[in-house]
Amino acid sequence: AQKITQTQPGMFVQEKEAVTLDCTYDTSDPSYGLFWYKQPSSGEMIFLIYQGSYDQQNATEGRYSLNFQKARKSANLVISASQLGDSAMYFCAMRETRRAQKLVFGQGTRLTINP
Amino acid sequence: NAGVTQTPKFQVLKTGQSMTLQCAQDMNHNSMYWYRQDPGMGLRLIYYSASEGTTDKGEVPNGYNVSRLNKREFSLRLESAAPSQTSVYFCASSEAGLGDSPLHFGNGTRLTVT
Repeated sequence: AQKITQTQPGMFVQEKEAVTLDCTYDTSDPSYGLFWYKQPSSGEMIFLIYQGSYDQQNATEGRYSLNFQKARKSANLVISASQLGDSAMYFCAMRETRRAQKLVFGQGTRLTINP
Repeated sequence: NAGVTQTPKFQVLKTGQSMTLQCAQDMNHNSMYWYRQDPGMGLRLIYYSASEGTTDKGEVPNGYNVSRLNKREFSLRLESAAPSQTSVYFCASSEAGLGDSPLHFGNGTRLTVT
């Protein structure tokens, strides 16, 4: 069974610092995709970044990058130069290709950026 | 750009009452989903519809039914609401379950069952 683990319930970071949010996963499917979503206090779910299991390079989207370590089954989100608006819940999620309809989420990490 | 629209935004039910949560998307996506979000548990899949005319159970389908009315609309019905169904419900859509296609979410429905 696929499983996503986010071990940091909460993190506090100073504005402008970089922050790494951890995500580990468990799957026996060789083909899968990893997603990160942001959920601000207003409640909507915002897609941030995607990494495919066969992608040779780590994904990047603006200030977001994904530190993908396939052998360790980890897909950590790195936010560079954090901003106050980055304060939110962050969810890691995985979709196995053989179960393409099912996107499974981790429990989330609440990130707070301090001024 | 409407994206995924859910109604209502808030609802309070008494135990045993029924209701239907509505969801519509205008992105011509084939796949649609219903998730529930509870504190400390992330999002859990209730039902999904891979394409018009098909529906399948997710992780937590008990107590719910769904209808894929057409390509745009996917509704979630609670036949006899229970306090355990107090949650925030999200509808989402994506291109046809492709590995790299993200889910696009509605803004959620906050349901309280007393």
